[in-house]
Amino acid sequence: AQSVAQPEDQVNVAEGNPLTVKCTYSVSGNPYLFWYVQYPNRGLQFLLKYITGDNLVKGSYGFEAEFNKSQTSFHLKKPSALVSDSALYFCAVRVLYGQNFVFGPGTRLSVLP
Amino acid sequence: DTAVSQTPKYLVTQMGNDKSIKCEQNLGHDTMYWYKQDSKKFLKIMFSYNNKELIINETVPNRFSPKSPDKAHLNLHINSLELGDSAVYFCASSQGKTGGRSETDTQYFGPGTRLTVL
Repeated sequence: AQSVAQPEDQVNVAEGNPLTVKCTYSVSGNPYLFWYVQYPNRGLQFLLKYITGDNLVKGSYGFEAEFNKSQTSFHLKKPSALVSDSALYFCAVRVLYGQNFVFGPGTRLSVLP
Repeated sequence: DTAVSQTPKYLVTQMGNDKSIKCEQNLGHDTMYWYKQDSKKFLKIMFSYNNKELIINETVPNRFSPKSPDKAHLNLHINSLELGDSAVYFCASSQGKTGGRSETDTQYFGPGTRLTVL
């Protein structure tokens, strides 16, 4: 069965500092990995995805994520955090021939001015 | 133009009532989904339709019945509402061409419907 873990419920970072939101996964087969962001009282917005190829994926709003197959991780990163990045971040996984799109539990990011 | 829209945005109702939530997408996508987000923000898929055909039906009470009149619409009807149904319900869509492979498709989400059952 597929599963996604986001080991941190909450991440706090100072504005201007680099940020990392962690995601690990467990699947049978090759994973397709996604990051979404949810702002308060809004739907989820797509940030980036890894399908194949270069392990470093660049996405919206300056975010990037690195796929690490040996560590089964797909951590989200940004070199310099903004207060406006404060939101709830979800990692998700799907596999080849898989029906379900499985989301992690979410990590709340707070960027402090 | 809103890509994926849902109505209503808020829904407050009494236990035992029947209610519907509507979803429409103007992206030309073939696949649509319903998700439930609970009070702890945990997001779980409920249903998926591809070109009006049900392809995912997770372990959801049969009080929940999706209906897809055409591939741009996926409505969720809930009978005999219970307190535990209180949540935010999100509709989503992805390209997912009929008969094709869709595992890599990005899903686009609606703004959500906050359902409160009293």
